[in-house]
Amino acid sequence: DIQMTQSPSSLSASVGDRVTITCRASQNIRTHLNWYQQEPGKAPKLLIYAASSLESGVPSRFSGSGSETDFTLTISSLRPEDFATYYCQQTYGALTWTFGQGTKVEFK
Amino acid sequence: EVQLVESGGGLVQPGGSLRLSCKASGFTFSTLWMTWVRQAPGKGLEWVANIKRDESEKYYADSVKGRFIISRDNAENSLYIQMNSLRAEDTAVYYCARIFYFHDTYPAIDYWGQGTLVTVSS
Repeated sequence: DIQMTQSPSSLSASVGDRVTITCRASQNIRTHLNWYQQEPGKAPKLLIYAASSLESGVPSRFSGSGSETDFTLTISSLRPEDFATYYCQQTYGALTWTFGQGTKVEFK
Repeated sequence: EVQLVESGGGLVQPGGSLRLSCKASGFTFSTLWMTWVRQAPGKGLEWVANIKRDESEKYYADSVKGRFIISRDNAENSLYIQMNSLRAEDTAVYYCARIFYFHDTYPAIDYWGQGTLVTVSS
């Protein structure tokens, strides 16, 4: 099975900060990598698909990059509504998927 | 408007069974893969199972393989998961969700239900 390792598990930041979250796959997943945002008590929301494509309606301060095993989610300038938990997800191969363990973005 | 509404959650004893349902609306249900994802209290997301449009392909996480069965009824726009031999570690919010293939190649979960809580405890 493909394992996904996210880092950090949590971070503290301020409004306006640039935030970077990384996700590493245990094998080459090409660009079959998605990013989700989850606010407390709510269902996750798709931000990025195919490693770098922005889902419709998602603000352009969110961006994704990477391929093969190493991926990054960047928030260029953190806004108050961005304090949440972020998950990567691999969707490569025989439709057995895996999520990363999550990164909680907290207010400094 | 796409809507996914889960039902069937509740308290069940270890070793027991439960069937969750998900009613879909606002899109052509029969044309899309569907999935179940769960989240234990205070924990991260865990993918559970996927099902193809016509039920011809089904995939499961190792943690539920042999105990859970995913199914669908396209005439009723409904997704199901039959959960047997339940364990304490199956306690979680279970989300029904839609899979969309971007550019016909890149699957992602683009719509989620609100989730239904399953508690396995004696």
